[in-house]
Amino acid sequence: DAGITQSPRHKVTETGTPVTLRCHQTENHRYMYWYRQDPGHGLRLIHYSYGVKDTDKGEVSDGYSVSRSKTEDFLLTLESATSSQTSVYFCAIREDRDNSPLHFGNGTRLTVT
Amino acid sequence: EDQVTQSPEALRLQEGESSSLNCSYTVSGLRGLFWYRQDPGKGPEFLFTLYSAGEEKEKERLKATLTKKESFLHITAPKPEDSATYLCALHNTNAGKSTFGDGTTLTVKP
Repeated sequence: DAGITQSPRHKVTETGTPVTLRCHQTENHRYMYWYRQDPGHGLRLIHYSYGVKDTDKGEVSDGYSVSRSKTEDFLLTLESATSSQTSVYFCAIREDRDNSPLHFGNGTRLTVT
Repeated sequence: EDQVTQSPEALRLQEGESSSLNCSYTVSGLRGLFWYRQDPGKGPEFLFTLYSAGEEKEKERLKATLTKKESFLHITAPKPEDSATYLCALHNTNAGKSTFGDGTTLTVKP
């Protein structure tokens, strides 16, 4: 398995509270991604990073921010959680070569009550 | 805009009953068509990459093929352990971002 660890694996939080999800890799890959997975919507890209301090938005970035201060860590923050952000969040990494596949962590199940 | 459509949404097979999953796509610049397998409670796991029309790749009971408009994942004589959701994804030319289909959930009954 690619060395990707997501934490926490499960979290329940209340509407309006900030939440931070962590992704840690041991592969030293340049590219890291945050996706959310919802029934009927599949996997949708939230934000991605192409290096330390280099990040960009995906298709569903509203309400989320990210930070990457070290190669191995990519943090996803929900600034003020809403019920629509209840989802399963996956981190993925990718080698810096053409057509390399994504390798995923096992996800964080977030419930916003 | 890149689009990926997978069909059927769900497929139930008897053990040994071969079938195919479909992935139709539109893309401005194809850099790769990917197949992943996802088990419940886990992240997707990479299976295959296809780059050009006519290409085929095989792994155990799975064979993936690619045309200019679609890809098929053929499952020959499936076993219950092949039960999973199979995801198709496009790798576009923009910073390695991928566009995923909604997946086909395969159930193989013994």
